[in-house]
Parts: sequence; structure tokens; C-alpha cells
Amino acid sequence: NAGVTQTPKFQVLKTGQSMTLQCAQDMNHEYMSWYRQDPGMGLRLIHYSVGAGITDQGEVPNGYNVSRSTTEDFPLRLLSAAPSQTSVYFCASSYRRDRLKNYGYTFGSGTRLTVV
Amino acid sequence: AQSVAQPEDQVNVAEGNPLTVKCTYSVSGNPYLFWYVQYPNRGLQFLLKYITGDNLVKGSYGFEAEFNKSQTSFHLKKPSALVSDSALYFCAVRDRLYNFNKFYFGSGTKLNVKP
Repeated sequence: NAGVTQTPKFQVLKTGQSMTLQCAQDMNHEYMSWYRQDPGMGLRLIHYSVGAGITDQGEVPNGYNVSRSTTEDFPLRLLSAAPSQTSVYFCASSYRRDRLKNYGYTFGSGTRLTVV
Repeated sequence: AQSVAQPEDQVNVAEGNPLTVKCTYSVSGNPYLFWYVQYPNRGLQFLLKYITGDNLVKGSYGFEAEFNKSQTSFHLKKPSALVSDSALYFCAVRDRLYNFNKFYFGSGTKLNVKP
């Protein structure tokens, strides 16, 4: 089925460990973004990409890296996990402005990360 | 600065009664406005959007929302609530002119519909 696929769905890390959250979409969307969801704070933008080879920081980029080598994939890397990074992470994608279809984002089902 | 406010953390309503979930925004120019719903342990699902035209927009599952430019509001409504509507609802804004690639989300409102 077309959409945004995130893996893994759940992950427990120890403080200081690194890992990569995977995100892939098969809709040929140019825009991809990573958000974290914390209780009472809504969704906060971590990093985003407007196309292959182009990334930029969002509101809360510290401690995270991204790259966009293909249109389909947008992995999020935690360099040295900290308890403050315990959260639910969502990947989202959309078309670029001049090819807009529904103007909205398509979200993945999320990755629940716990850092102990 | 762009922002979205959902003033109620939680809304409680009895099944069959009308419901309203409030959203106000602060964005330069004319925004694109969205409502998303999140069921437990799921991602966000698109409900409806306002892009241009008629201020009353209809979306999925019988929901509708009214864009009020003077009050900078985009409240979500449904004439008759169902228990299955219980979920977390997010209002979102996309700046039409600046930072178009970014969505600004409210903090979310938990809707509880009781039988």
C-alpha cells in the first residue's frame, strides 16, 4: 500500500547508544519531515528535506542528524541517545508547492523510542 | 511568529450531542489550515483542510470546520458525536507564503465521547 513506512515501531536504547530511525515513502513526495510528539507539546519539527540532497533544521534539531540521498528515504539518526529523546517520532511527506495534490502531509505510524 | 493554539487540553461530550474543538492561529498572510486525528498508537490521519473559497469545509467522518479570518480561528465541529470519535485532534497551519514546507501544529485536544 502506498504511504509512509517507519521502522522500527518500538525501540529501547541505553543512554549514549546511537541508532537510525528509518522512513520511506513511495508516493514520489519531494518534502519529507521528522517530528517528535511529547505530551502537551504537540508535534515539534526536528529536520526536514525539500528534495534529495537538501536538508534543513526544524525547531528541535540538536542531537539528531538526517540525510536525503534518495527521494524515497529520509532516515533520522540519533548520535548519542539521551533520556530527553524519549518520545514518539513521526515521519511525514508531501508534494512540493507546484505539484500540490491535497496540500497536506501523509504521516507514518510512528516509532516509540525509550532511552533509559 | 507563526503559532497554533488549541486552548482546551480535553473536551468531553455525550454521544449524540454536538461537539466543537477549538483552534486559533497566528500566521502571516493567508494560511492553509488542517485538522488531523490520531487514534491510540497510530499516526496522524488527515480529516479536512481549508485552502480557499467557502469558509465552511467538510471532511471525513462527518466532521466540518469553519474558517473565520477576522477571529483567526478554524474550529472543528460535528453535529452528533459518536463514541468512536474519541481520539486526539490536532489543528495545523501551513504558511501560504513563507516557510511553506513547515507545518505548525497545535498541542492537541483529547476528545472524549461518552455513551
